[in-house]
Amino acid sequence: GAVVSQHPSRVICKSGTSVKIECRSLDFQATTMFWYRQFPKKSLMLMATSNEGSKATYEQGVEKDKFLINHASLTLSTLTVTSAHPEDSSFYICSAYPGQGATEQYFGPGTRLTVT
Amino acid sequence: ILNVEQSPQSLHVQEGDSTNFTCSFPSSNFYALHWYRWETAKSPEALFVMTLNGDEKKKGRISATLNTKEGYSYLYIKGSQPEDSATYLCAFWEDYKLSFGAGTTVTVRA
Repeated sequence: GAVVSQHPSRVICKSGTSVKIECRSLDFQATTMFWYRQFPKKSLMLMATSNEGSKATYEQGVEKDKFLINHASLTLSTLTVTSAHPEDSSFYICSAYPGQGATEQYFGPGTRLTVT
Repeated sequence: ILNVEQSPQSLHVQEGDSTNFTCSFPSSNFYALHWYRWETAKSPEALFVMTLNGDEKKKGRISATLNTKEGYSYLYIKGSQPEDSATYLCAFWEDYKLSFGAGTTVTVRA
């Protein structure tokens, strides 16, 4: 149980285009989903927290207009990197939180984004 | 975002040897510390959720201890096997958010 999928696993896009990454909880409902970014040899950095049906909360320094997050249902959140630039190239990973006093987040396998 | 540090960044272990590594975190307002095992191209796998000072948890050949007063946790791997090769992440849990360390990458040589 507690499986989270992420799609695509790898994506290459051209500078100036937008790319959407999907995060799905497959066998549970997630009241909250989180989006992280990993820089080389660095820790996973929390970008934003999204709650179903409401606006995402972004961490300090994360541009909300560049990283659009939509949490349309209790099993799906999407991250859209708009007008991507090479510096947006990174590893993006989502997690899903079931709520109701749960003490764990469940992670997807991540998406490697390369912007050329 | 809290300061969570892991050391060493990487280590190489001979098959059959035991090893351990550290996670340090803020000792104030402690709620829980999580350990994850992360293999390339896979989802991070939860190993332990540690909440009490002095906690010691075990899963097969992997165990972890927790000292909340001084703000550190150790992860131990006994009799390392090639399948233990992975990056081990610790994360401080606060307000249902996780603050991660950079991880310790373990490579077990046959």
